Amino acid sequence: GDSVTQMEGPVTLSEEAFLTINCTYTATGYPSLFWYVQYPGEGLQLLLKATKADDKGSNKGFEATYRKETTSFHLEKGSVQVSDSAVYFCALKAAGNKLTFGGGTRVLVKP
Amino acid sequence: DVKVTQSSRYLVKRTGEKVFLECVQDMDHENMFWYRQDPGLGLRLIYFSYDVKMKEKGDIPEGYSVSREKKERFSLILESASTNQTSMYLCASGLAADLYNEQFFGPGTRLTVL
Repeated sequence: GDSVTQMEGPVTLSEEAFLTINCTYTATGYPSLFWYVQYPGEGLQLLLKATKADDKGSNKGFEATYRKETTSFHLEKGSVQVSDSAVYFCALKAAGNKLTFGGGTRVLVKP
Repeated sequence: DVKVTQSSRYLVKRTGEKVFLECVQDMDHENMFWYRQDPGLGLRLIYFSYDVKMKEKGDIPEGYSVSREKKERFSLILESASTNQTSMYLCASGLAADLYNEQFFGPGTRLTVL
């Protein structure tokens, strides 16, 4: 079945540091890929998405590129802020409407 | 502003109680979903519904049931709550038959079963 694997946290960084969260997937067919973010005390919200190979999703300074050859969708941000402290979820949607999520990565940015 | 609302943010129940979690969306979405979120496990799908009175089991339906009598409302029912159902429950909605569009999430209900 479909699955998503992402690096375990927590990831602790200083402000203005570079952030990478690795995400790899297995799926049948050609899935769409998503990054969701969950800020403390809130539900999930979409951060970015990519729907086909080599697409790059971007939002709020975050980027991720759909790499079919390595089945990856790594999330990056060049300079994090304290307000980026959250839990980040990688997810895919293949056949049907079901999202399959990774385990989540907690990121803590210190001033 | 699109919205998915859940009836409670925090809930404490006793073992054996019947528990209802309510979810309402105002986006006229056909699909609605219930997930539970546990540390290290991410989100796991319990049930989903693609139309009024229609439901399908997700990955972990045991111990749960659902009801969808109106398009905008999707209820999750724990017939007899157990301590292993202590978790964060998230409701989501989305457009039908769409591979590309996102799901919209509610704020979650943190349920504790004593």
